[in-house]
Amino acid sequence: GAGVSQSPRYKVAKRGQDVALRCDPISGHVSLFWYQQALGQGPEFLTYFQNEAQLDKSGLPSDRFFAERPEGSVSTLKIQRTQQEDSAVYLCASSLDEGRWEKLFFGSGTQLSVL
Amino acid sequence: AQSVAQPEDQVNVAEGNPLTVKCTYSVSGNPYLFWYVQYPNRGLQFLLKYITGDNLVKGSYGFEAEFNKSQTSFHLKKPSALVSDSALYFCAVRDPYNFNKFYFGSGTKLNVKP
Repeated sequence: GAGVSQSPRYKVAKRGQDVALRCDPISGHVSLFWYQQALGQGPEFLTYFQNEAQLDKSGLPSDRFFAERPEGSVSTLKIQRTQQEDSAVYLCASSLDEGRWEKLFFGSGTQLSVL
Repeated sequence: AQSVAQPEDQVNVAEGNPLTVKCTYSVSGNPYLFWYVQYPNRGLQFLLKYITGDNLVKGSYGFEAEFNKSQTSFHLKKPSALVSDSALYFCAVRDPYNFNKFYFGSGTKLNVKP
């Protein structure tokens, strides 16, 4: 596709519910990132994939958060037993490779509201 | 630890006037600095990046940024603001020891009034 696509655009969940957020990166992009953006804040790193390998998950806030990219393209971020503090915009980004000068291409994000 | 700071939550400027959005950084090692812009309901878009040796960096939409090593700053500038420049601007630094990670500032809302 032309850009990074994320779905759903909005998600409302009841506390305790599981949610799955999808990211379709730009075709051919090796690197994929998930970021969490709280209201009024900058994005914060969650996890990183190089192709299908999850090389860094140091930013995941708890073991309720899980991400996968099984075939090295589409990625899913899953949050189990959602809590109110999980409410945020979840951004996916991809880049052509992992080079230091490579810029990130971001999706529009999924806004998660946990009631 | 790597970090960037954006001291202004909001910057107001009249259309046609020059604009500056401030960013200071704290990096151990070489700084890999970026500016991104976020329009409402849109993802972040790349504006420009700092490459070693070029203290004045030119980017998209007429924006430029000035790298100042002694002041550890990377301020975003534009000679003549447009109303359409109104958006949220983020400064970011890439961890020189772990290229997986970008650290973003808290963002500066730019308001350009006609």
